[in-house]
Amino acid sequence: AQTVTQSQPEMSVQEAETVTLSCTYDTSESDYYLFWYKQPPSRQMILVIRQEAYKQQNATENRFSVNFQKAAKSFSLKISDSQLGDAAMYFCAYRSANSNQFYFGTGTSLTVIP
Amino acid sequence: EPEVTQTPSHQVTQMGQEVILRCVPISNHLYFYWYRQILGQKVEFLVSFYNNEISEKSEIFDDQFSVERPDGSNFTLKIRSTKLEDSAMYFCASSESSIWETQYFGPGTRLLVL
Repeated sequence: AQTVTQSQPEMSVQEAETVTLSCTYDTSESDYYLFWYKQPPSRQMILVIRQEAYKQQNATENRFSVNFQKAAKSFSLKISDSQLGDAAMYFCAYRSANSNQFYFGTGTSLTVIP
Repeated sequence: EPEVTQTPSHQVTQMGQEVILRCVPISNHLYFYWYRQILGQKVEFLVSFYNNEISEKSEIFDDQFSVERPDGSNFTLKIRSTKLEDSAMYFCASSESSIWETQYFGPGTRLLVL
């Protein structure tokens, strides 16, 4: 089975600074999708960004960008110009191209310091 | 913006009792999912549902569990004869179509089995 590892249980960042959250995964498949979901306290998970494995270009969504290293099986999330509203639990997730099943990491709790 | 909703937000039950967790997916979505997250552990896939039948399920989803779409809007997860280890947060998700689309998550139901 695929595994997703987030090695940073907690991270903190000063407001307006940049932070990078790490994620690695293990798979034997060549076609898959990677996601970062954000879960604010007591609220549902919302999609931050997604990356198709067949695309070499790193996905970006406004202040959020990823560094996708397929050979290294690494998928880090960079948050630029951090805002107080970015404080949340961030989950990295993997999904095969031919399955609906998500595999999640254990999450990284991000604190934004004013 | 449309959201996935779940009821109840919290449920306490006695071991051996049956519980039904309810979800209202986003109205034009066709695929539905249940996940669970035991406290301190990863979010785990349970089951996906399409066209009134299960399309995928994990090893966790044994005979104790069942899903149903009783009408055009609700999607339910039934847990028969609950066990202590069923205590978890249960998330419902939906997606517009299958593997190419993002899954949108509900806020979760926290189930406590005593």
